[in-house]
Amino acid sequence: QKEVEQDPGPLSVPEGAIVSLNCTYSNSAFQYFMWYRQYSRKGPELLMYTYSSGNKEDGRFTAQVDKSSKYISLFIRDSQPSDSATYLCAMTDAGNMLTFGGGTRLMVKP
Amino acid sequence: GAVVSQHPSRVICKSGTSVKIECRSLDFQATTMFWYRQFPKKSLMLMATSNEGSKATYEQGVEKDKFLINHASLTLSTLTVTSAHPEDSSFYICSARVSGAGNSPLHFGNGTRLTVT
Repeated sequence: QKEVEQDPGPLSVPEGAIVSLNCTYSNSAFQYFMWYRQYSRKGPELLMYTYSSGNKEDGRFTAQVDKSSKYISLFIRDSQPSDSATYLCAMTDAGNMLTFGGGTRLMVKP
Repeated sequence: GAVVSQHPSRVICKSGTSVKIECRSLDFQATTMFWYRQFPKKSLMLMATSNEGSKATYEQGVEKDKFLINHASLTLSTLTVTSAHPEDSSFYICSARVSGAGNSPLHFGNGTRLTVT
């Protein structure tokens, strides 16, 4: 079993839909959680960074962490075609190493 | 804006030659940088941790003589793929933390697509 599991997709939604992207993990020591967006042939771009359980909102993006269930989510409201990308979750226990999920490919169709 | 700059963005080389990729931290000093490799439709694979002023730390299975890392200053790390072969063709991405704290997020460069013919 991988340390971080993420559905590879692709996830296809119509423009304007609410998108839910998720990761599960097995290491209870993880405390810091990140979401990255990666466009084709580009490096990952940091979208959200959260610590421990709870919600964090930034514009159309909401990151949610449930440490008791070892489950994190990224919600995208009013999705746009420009949101089409691969979304990677990442997490760490405050050591140097990040553990990444495999990424979910999202396609938002106009 | 970008905090990590990577160059070149794309390089094509012949088998047997060496290629150098540069990674620069912009407006901050990075004592540690990380080099990743990414295969198509796959996640990031950590290759090595680049330490300023000392030897890099390589992940298991990564050949240190093949992938030479030099971190000569607080803003520059280089990855040299030596005697490149077609199987080295991949997307290489560097990253760094703006803050040295181990819990701070990584910021990535835009990657270098290497094609070895």
